[in-house]
Amino acid sequence: GESVGLHLPTLSVQEGDNSIINCAYSNSASDYFIWYKQESGKGPQFIIDIRSNMDKRQGQRVTVLLNKTVKHLSLQIAATQPGDSAVYFCAENISGYSTLTFGKGTMLLVSP
Amino acid sequence: SAVISQKPSRDICQRGTSLTIQCQVDSQVTMMFWYRQQPGQSLTLIATANQGSEATYESGFVIDKFPISRPNLTFSTLTVSNMSPEDSSIYLCSVGQSTNTEAFFGQGTRLTVV
Repeated sequence: GESVGLHLPTLSVQEGDNSIINCAYSNSASDYFIWYKQESGKGPQFIIDIRSNMDKRQGQRVTVLLNKTVKHLSLQIAATQPGDSAVYFCAENISGYSTLTFGKGTMLLVSP
Repeated sequence: SAVISQKPSRDICQRGTSLTIQCQVDSQVTMMFWYRQQPGQSLTLIATANQGSEATYESGFVIDKFPISRPNLTFSTLTVSNMSPEDSSIYLCSVGQSTNTEAFFGQGTRLTVV
């Protein structure tokens, strides 16, 4: 079946740098996307979402970009902090279906 | 966002036994889901818990192994039956109000089967 995947399993950055986490999806019918952050020993935490009628959405220190042409999603974290260290998952959804499909995850390691 | 409480947070169980995991939400929610997350892996949907009817299972998961209850709009249980070491995993409850909206997660239940 179609799936959501990530390019990089681990991303290491220095504190203060900007981080970019990428996600490729293959289901062209997907029209809603979410980024989650999962810290060790915790459940996934919602970060930001975007619908397919948008190509960019900004939150506090985070920006999600959606390129439907190449089926690519990215999460940008500005001024990365040690507290941002976690595994980040993208997830996709199709209108009319209640379930999310999760990507493989990227571990972000932030060095002080 | 909803506050989701899962119990137990972790357990170590003997093979062949069963464990029931509870998920309590602080408000009524339309949808409740159960996920499995094996060590170092992503989340895999086990089933959608339907209020007042049988759960909807994903491919590879069956009711005899993972019976689910959802007696009302704020509570659900997942039982892992006849456990084997391969069932060692994190089990996560998730809730949502509708399609195409964010889903929220509990803190998970870390299960180890010995």
